[in-house]
Amino acid sequence: AQKITQTQPGMFVQEKEAVTLDCTYDTSDQSYGLFWYKQPSSGEMIFLIYQGSYDEQNATEGRYSLNFQKARKSANLVISASQLGDSAMYFCAMRRAPSNTGKLIFGQGTTLQVKP
Amino acid sequence: GAGVSQSPSNKVTEKGKDVELRCDPISGHTALYWYRQRLGQGLEFLIYFQGNSAPDKSGLPSDRFSAERTGESVSTLTIQRTQQEDSAVYLCASSFAGTGGLSVAFFGQGTRLTVV
Repeated sequence: AQKITQTQPGMFVQEKEAVTLDCTYDTSDQSYGLFWYKQPSSGEMIFLIYQGSYDEQNATEGRYSLNFQKARKSANLVISASQLGDSAMYFCAMRRAPSNTGKLIFGQGTTLQVKP
Repeated sequence: GAGVSQSPSNKVTEKGKDVELRCDPISGHTALYWYRQRLGQGLEFLIYFQGNSAPDKSGLPSDRFSAERTGESVSTLTIQRTQQEDSAVYLCASSFAGTGGLSVAFFGQGTRLTVV
């Protein structure tokens, strides 16, 4: 069975600093995709970044990067130069690939607060 | 439509009544997901549709919950004999499902259900 674990219920970071949000996963699939979503207080789920299990390079998207360590089964999100608008809940998720079928499962989330 | 649309956005119902929640996915998206999110909590998987069939309904919490999808489009989540513990935000997401390339799940704004 697949499982996502986010061990940090809450994190604080100073504005303009970088922060790493942890995500570990468990799966017996050889091919899978990992996603990070942001959920601000408004409640919408915003897709941030994706990493495929066979991608050799770590994914990057603007200020977001994914530190993918396949052997450790971790997919940590790094946010550089934090902004006040980054304050939100962040979810790590996983789904099998490449057929992109099957349920998308989520971790419990990490609440990030950016301090001015 | 341009995005995933859910209706109603808010629903207040009396304990014991039935409710129907609707999800209109992005056109062409064959995969559709329902999640439940209690206040301050993570996303709890309910059911996954591939086309009009539901290969994974393992997350439905009881037989009071059911869902259907027609025309590989609209989906309805029905909760019968609502209980106070059903109060939550119900989120719907859709994605393309097929080989090749990234398939991001896009979320609707959710239906906030309050059972009084």
